[in-house]
Amino acid sequence: DTEVTQTPKHLVMGMTNKKSLKCEQHMGHRAMYWYKQKAKKPPELMFVYSYEKLSINESVPSRFSPECPNSSLLNLHLHALQPEDSALYLCASSQAEFNEKLFFGSGTQLSVL
Amino acid sequence: DAKTTQPPSMDCAEGRAANLPCNHSTISGNEYVYWYRQIHSQGPQYIIHGLKNNETNEMASLIITEDRKSSTLILPHATLRDTAVYYCIVRTGYSSASKIIFGSGTRLSIRP
Repeated sequence: DTEVTQTPKHLVMGMTNKKSLKCEQHMGHRAMYWYKQKAKKPPELMFVYSYEKLSINESVPSRFSPECPNSSLLNLHLHALQPEDSALYLCASSQAEFNEKLFFGSGTQLSVL
Repeated sequence: DAKTTQPPSMDCAEGRAANLPCNHSTISGNEYVYWYRQIHSQGPQYIIHGLKNNETNEMASLIITEDRKSSTLILPHATLRDTAVYYCIVRTGYSSASKIIFGSGTRLSIRP
């Protein structure tokens, strides 16, 4: 199993809603990542978890709250988002934090109304 | 603070070799060159990486110049499925500063 599974694939939410994005991998990887990608732009790193602990936060606003409940799961909790937060949110994993191969999911396309 | 420069777009005929250049003139001695690609509606996919020697795997070859200031990714027999955005990334190998940071990439179109 070399897949990173992200759910949901599409999400529409209002600015006052609370929602969560979910990411799962069963490759035994110990590092997991969140990236944000706006249309026609490259992915931007948001968070890195290593051994279930937050390792890197790229100065992401607090309305995005990551959580790593176990080594296979990564969540991104969303609250009070703005329309400019509409983007593709990509999850990735790797064997360890500094491993060269990141495996990416297909992403969640988020629209904030 | 992108460390790499790539042409925004290129095209190549199906069946021919696609050669994608990348300039990384400020690369330092412990920094690796990585290549990823992103096919439309999918997440990025790892292709290959190298430090100073040329590398080859089942997907592609990576040629790094002797001064390490530039590199070329070669897809030996391009197919329509190779149409994607290709990202060249410079990354410190193993340190707390090591991150996969994507630059603007090259949009490669393969024509029949």
